[in-house]
Amino acid sequence: GAGVSQSPSNKVTEKGKDVELRCDPISGHTALYWYRQSLGQGLEFLIYFQGNSAPDKSGLPSDRFSAERTGGSVSTLTIQRTQQEDSAVYLCASSSTYRVGNEQFFGPGTRLTVL
Amino acid sequence: QQQVKQSPQSLIVQKGGISIINCAYENTAFDYFPWYQQFPGKGPALLIAIRPDVSEKKEGRFTISFNKSAKQFSLHIMDSQPGDSATYFCAASSQAAGNKLTFGGGTRVLVKP
Repeated sequence: GAGVSQSPSNKVTEKGKDVELRCDPISGHTALYWYRQSLGQGLEFLIYFQGNSAPDKSGLPSDRFSAERTGGSVSTLTIQRTQQEDSAVYLCASSSTYRVGNEQFFGPGTRLTVL
Repeated sequence: QQQVKQSPQSLIVQKGGISIINCAYENTAFDYFPWYQQFPGKGPALLIAIRPDVSEKKEGRFTISFNKSAKQFSLHIMDSQPGDSATYFCAASSQAAGNKLTFGGGTRVLVKP
């Protein structure tokens, strides 16, 4: 079956512009996570959604970052007024249930470059 | 605060040798410890995982050793192959915190033929 997909695969933008990154999780997965992978900070958690519960936004680095998940499926991560330090690979992951040790399946990521 | 520390940052091993990567954690609420493998241009993929009530888990050539009292766990790759050349990340999560993963810094492994 299809895995987690993300689009675009690459995004180049100018400083100050807004960008939207999309994640299509595995069908039926109730939990969806966003992570960021950068040279300086490694892999870090940003935000997660579980069913209809309020999202855990504790990892978002600033109020320029926001995310939503529509219909319990597709998610969009939005970065407003992008800065050069936002350049990174943004990874989305999904898992099937909210249980200990449930595997998170990662997408290929979106590489964001802010000029 | 780096809650999961991973070492070494890089590792070179001959084909057939053993690769050993170590991780240490601080948060005793963590209840799941996975290892992920990542190839260039790809997302991380789960390799093997362990819970704190088990001291060792083996799957094929990959073994996790877990020491709860020391708050340390390690990955052993036996009979390393060139195809194992990748970056490996240890991670930890807590169900109470939504299973969000806290990653170690990663280890780049190069297996020489």
